[in-house]
Amino acid sequence: GNSVTQMEGPVTLSEEAFLTINCTYTATGYPSLFWYVQYPGEGLQLLLKATKADDKGSNKGFEATYRKETTSFHLEKGSVQVSDSAVYFCALSPLSITDKLIFGTGTRLQVFP
Amino acid sequence: GAGVSQSPSNKVTEKGKDVELRCDPISGHTALYWYRQRLGQGLEFLIYFQGNSAPDKSGLPSDRFSAERTGESVSTLTIQRTQQEDSAVYLCASSLRPTGGYEQYFGPGTRLTVT
Repeated sequence: GNSVTQMEGPVTLSEEAFLTINCTYTATGYPSLFWYVQYPGEGLQLLLKATKADDKGSNKGFEATYRKETTSFHLEKGSVQVSDSAVYFCALSPLSITDKLIFGTGTRLQVFP
Repeated sequence: GAGVSQSPSNKVTEKGKDVELRCDPISGHTALYWYRQRLGQGLEFLIYFQGNSAPDKSGLPSDRFSAERTGESVSTLTIQRTQQEDSAVYLCASSLRPTGGYEQYFGPGTRLTVT
């Protein structure tokens, strides 16, 4: 079946530190991959996506590369800010008859000044 | 324009009661999704609507759960005879089309607590 595994949190970093949140997936076929973010008190929103192998999604300084050979989609940012504190969800869409999303459990990131 | 809205934002109910959760998608979005997030777990897909029909109900956990959508707009998720394991945040999302990689826009969720 389809599933997503991401590293457990919380991840605690100082401002300007390098961030990696690991995400691996299991899927049949060629899914699309996503990172969603939920800031405190706000709804879930799309951060970035990649639709095929070797694609790199990027937004707001965050990047993730679709690695089919390792079935991974790790989220990275070179220098985090306090405002990046949020819960990050990795997700895939198996692209069957719908674009329904299958999510990981989420990783809470806390950035301190 | 307005985003996806959900009501109520919080609902506390007694075990065995029925509840209705409402979702107002973004105007013009044909696809509507319901997800559930239980404490410490990721979001689980429940059901998807294309227009007013539901081609994929595979995520509904039991026959106590049902959903409908009218006028290609508002959707209602109904849980009958609620159980404590139904406690979760129920999220609704809509997208312009059901396939093709269109972004899903999420509502703020309804936090359901069954006592």
